[in-house]
Amino acid sequence: EIVLTQSPGILSLSPGERATLSCRASQSVSSTYLVWYQQKPGQAPRLLIYGASSRATGIPDRFSGSGSGTDFTLTISRLEPEDFAVYYCQQYGSSPRYTFGQGTKLEIK
Amino acid sequence: EVQLVESGGGSVQPGGSLRLSCAASGFTFSYYSMNWVRQAPGKGLEWISYISGSSDSMYFADSVKGRFTISRDNAKNSLYLQMNSLRDEDTAMYYCARDIAACSGGTCYEIRFDYWGQGTLVTVSS
Repeated sequence: EIVLTQSPGILSLSPGERATLSCRASQSVSSTYLVWYQQKPGQAPRLLIYGASSRATGIPDRFSGSGSGTDFTLTISRLEPEDFAVYYCQQYGSSPRYTFGQGTKLEIK
Repeated sequence: EVQLVESGGGSVQPGGSLRLSCAASGFTFSYYSMNWVRQAPGKGLEWISYISGSSDSMYFADSVKGRFTISRDNAKNSLYLQMNSLRDEDTAMYYCARDIAACSGGTCYEIRFDYWGQGTLVTVSS
C-alpha cells in the first residue's frame, strides 16, 4: 500500500503570500495519478489539480502542481482569503485503489 | 449541471445496517465509474468503494470489505452503498464522487474525482 504523507500539517500564512504544500509518497507514483483537492469547512472536497500539474476547470492560475516519483507539490502563488482551507493529495494505485494524504490545513496568520 | 445528492444517512446502533443512495443528474450516469468516500468527524478523507459504469468491477477498502456492498441502477441514475455490521468507527460523512479518466488502449490516465455530492451523515452509536 502506498502511503501519502503531507507536510506541514498546518501552514499559517497571510493573504498575498506564497504557499507551498508537500505530498510525499512511500513508493513512486506515476504523475498521471496524483491529484489535489481543496476542502472548506462544511463543504465537499473540490478538485483542484490532476495529473500532478493540470488545473481542473475553473481553478485560478495561482494554483499550480508539480513533482514526480515520490515528491509532489501544490503551490498557491498569492493567497486570496478564499484559499484558506484544507488540502488533500490523492493517488490511484492497485490496492487500495485510491489513497489520500492526511491533509494540510492552510490557515490565516 | 452535474449534481450528486446523497441520502439515507442517520443514526444506527452498532451491528446495524443502513443503505445510502446517491442520485445523479446532469450527465450520462452509465458512462462513469463512481466512488464512495467518507470522512470521520474532524478527520481526513478515506476512499471506501468503487464501481465501474457497467458494474463489472468493484473494489473496497480493507476497512469495509465483507461488510459493505456497492451497487448502481443506471436506469434510475442511482448509486448505492449497503452498510452492514456497522461499527462505531464507521461514523462519518459519506460522499459519493464521480470518477473520470482519459483512457486509451485499455489504460487510463489522469484519474480523478471531478464531482462530489454534499454528503450524508452516518452516526453509529449505542
